[in-house]
Amino acid sequence: EDQVTQSPEALRLQEGESSSLNCSYTVSGLRGLFWYRQDPGKGPEFLFTLYSAGEEKEKERLKATLTKKESFLHITAPKPEDSATYLCAFPFKGGSQGNLIFGKGTKLSVKP
Amino acid sequence: KAGVTQTPRYLIKTRGQQVTLSCSPISGHRSVSWYQQTPGQGLQFLFEYFSETQRNKGNFPGRFSGRQFSNSRSEMNVSTLELGDSALYLCASSLAGNVGETQYFGPGTRLLVL
Repeated sequence: EDQVTQSPEALRLQEGESSSLNCSYTVSGLRGLFWYRQDPGKGPEFLFTLYSAGEEKEKERLKATLTKKESFLHITAPKPEDSATYLCAFPFKGGSQGNLIFGKGTKLSVKP
Repeated sequence: KAGVTQTPRYLIKTRGQQVTLSCSPISGHRSVSWYQQTPGQGLQFLFEYFSETQRNKGNFPGRFSGRQFSNSRSEMNVSTLELGDSALYLCASSLAGNVGETQYFGPGTRLLVL
């Protein structure tokens, strides 16, 4: 059964304290791994798509990496405005793109 | 380019009523997906539409239905509302709904069932 698990559930960092969020998945034939950021009361905001093991993508203080079994979202020198819930997702095998399976997310709090 | 829009943003209904939510995708996008987000279950897929046809459906009861119009706008309907239907309902659009395409989400409709 396709599954995605994110850890930790919550993470508190001091401003400038770098860390990583984990997204572990079990699916045969991964067809994309997506990272989103969600602020309270808002819809998820697209961050990255990774397609193959070894791939890396960066945006400002965020870098996403992908292996055959997990993806990491590295946050370098975070700022309070990086506080949000970070979600990873991948397409359900056998379905169209429209069917994304999401992890429960990691709630990140960055204190000044 | 305008993003995905959803109306209304907030709704309060009572048990047994029905509700219709609307979603306008990004211009040029023809695939629209709907998701339910609750604190306990997270984001769960409801259904996906492309060219006015439902292509996929998640594991939700038949009270949840949807449709898509020729201009790609989509509506979802929930009949006989239950307390457990209280949630943030999100729609997302993509170009053609192909595997690997990015989905862009709207701000959501917050539904409270009393």
